[in-house]
Amino acid sequence: DTGVSQNPRHKITKRGQNVTFRCDPISEHNRLYWYRQTLGQGPEFLTYFQNEAQLEKSRLLSDRFSAERPKGSFSTLEIQRTEQGDSAMYLCAVPGRSPEQYFGPGTRLTVT
Amino acid sequence: GENVEQHPSTLSVQEGDSAVIKCTYSDSASNYFPWYKQELGKGPQLIIDIRSNVGEKKDQRIAVTLNKTAKHFSLHITETQPEDSAVYFCAASGGSGAGSYQLTFGKGTKLSVIP
Repeated sequence: DTGVSQNPRHKITKRGQNVTFRCDPISEHNRLYWYRQTLGQGPEFLTYFQNEAQLEKSRLLSDRFSAERPKGSFSTLEIQRTEQGDSAMYLCAVPGRSPEQYFGPGTRLTVT
Repeated sequence: GENVEQHPSTLSVQEGDSAVIKCTYSDSASNYFPWYKQELGKGPQLIIDIRSNVGEKKDQRIAVTLNKTAKHFSLHITETQPEDSAVYFCAASGGSGAGSYQLTFGKGTKLSVIP
């Protein structure tokens, strides 16, 4: 049990469609992170929340990406007008005793 | 920003032998170095970490060493077992520049333990 659930686990979509992923920490955490992992690579940082506030955004997070954490608990990541290059595993992580990060199982996105 | 290099990309060992994976980092301000194990279809699992004020840390069959001067750190797995087969990632954080909380990962090492 990683302390984080992510839904859906798999998503297949056609290019140009919008998709939304959800991350649900099992317990309260002030911070929440999103990473992206493409095939054969390590995870890459996308963005991070401190409570409801989105404090950092990577250059990887283009204008088509938006993330929210409305109540400081769960978070959503939306991709608009998906492209084939968006195909990846999207990972959510929560902190342990700082600075550890614990990852969820991820959402695998395939854009056809 | 931080850059983490990881070697080797693949590693095959006989069951019972030791495995060593090495990483180098570029930002001398980085102060936290975790290692993750990732099995197929799962998220990365934190297996051990080390902070910059410590040179070595051990947890049963796994150990991590850190050389701050050379900016490299290593994962050592002894008495390998088939269930150790997975992809291992090193990471670094706490450096200057783009935020102290984000992890920068290496590209991973696929470890195969041959029974």
